[in-house]
Amino acid sequence: GESVGLHLPTLSVQEGDNSIINCAYSNSASDYFIWYKQESGKGPQFIIDIRSNMDKRQGQRVTVLLNKTVKHLSLQIAATQPGDSAVYFCADLGGSYIPTFGRGTSLIVHP
Amino acid sequence: ETGVTQSPTHLIKTRGQQVTLRCSSQSGHNTVSWYQQALGQGPQFIFQYYREEENGRGNFPPRFSGLQFPNYSSELNVNALELDDSALYLCASSVGIGSSYEQYFGPGTRLTVT
Repeated sequence: GESVGLHLPTLSVQEGDNSIINCAYSNSASDYFIWYKQESGKGPQFIIDIRSNMDKRQGQRVTVLLNKTVKHLSLQIAATQPGDSAVYFCADLGGSYIPTFGRGTSLIVHP
Repeated sequence: ETGVTQSPTHLIKTRGQQVTLRCSSQSGHNTVSWYQQALGQGPQFIFQYYREEENGRGNFPPRFSGLQFPNYSSELNVNALELDDSALYLCASSVGIGSSYEQYFGPGTRLTVT
């Protein structure tokens, strides 16, 4: 079946470093993706999205890259801060606007 | 904060019991979606309600049911609870069904089934 998954369950970085979180998807028809951040005790929070007609999209300190050839996304966080510590999910919205979430990567930022 | 509230925060039930979880949408939002998030996993879509009608359903059995009220608040009901129903239950509200990606999530209800 179709799936959205992440390569690494945990990523530890030092404050100030750049972080890269990866995500693979299997549905070649997927055309819209969202990255969410989930802090402890809270629901997921929208970070940034990208459509399949784009390879890259930038936000404030975050960049999402999409490689449709290998069905891979990445979320890059510049100058990672302790407040960035959370679980990050990529989600595939397909054509229904209902997100299919991957398992998540836990980002730990050490001061 | 998103403006989406859920109650209760935590709940402990026994296998076979029934449970009702509640969600208040963000002001102006007429669509509510419910998700189940098992420990260490991403949220899984249960169903969505738009203007009091079920608008889509994930791969969950009929013992998972819901309601949406005229004020767009919502309930998730689970009958005949099983141990595997232990999870964080999230609701998310949005405006309309075509813009469901613009969802605002509540903090969730942690359900433990013993």
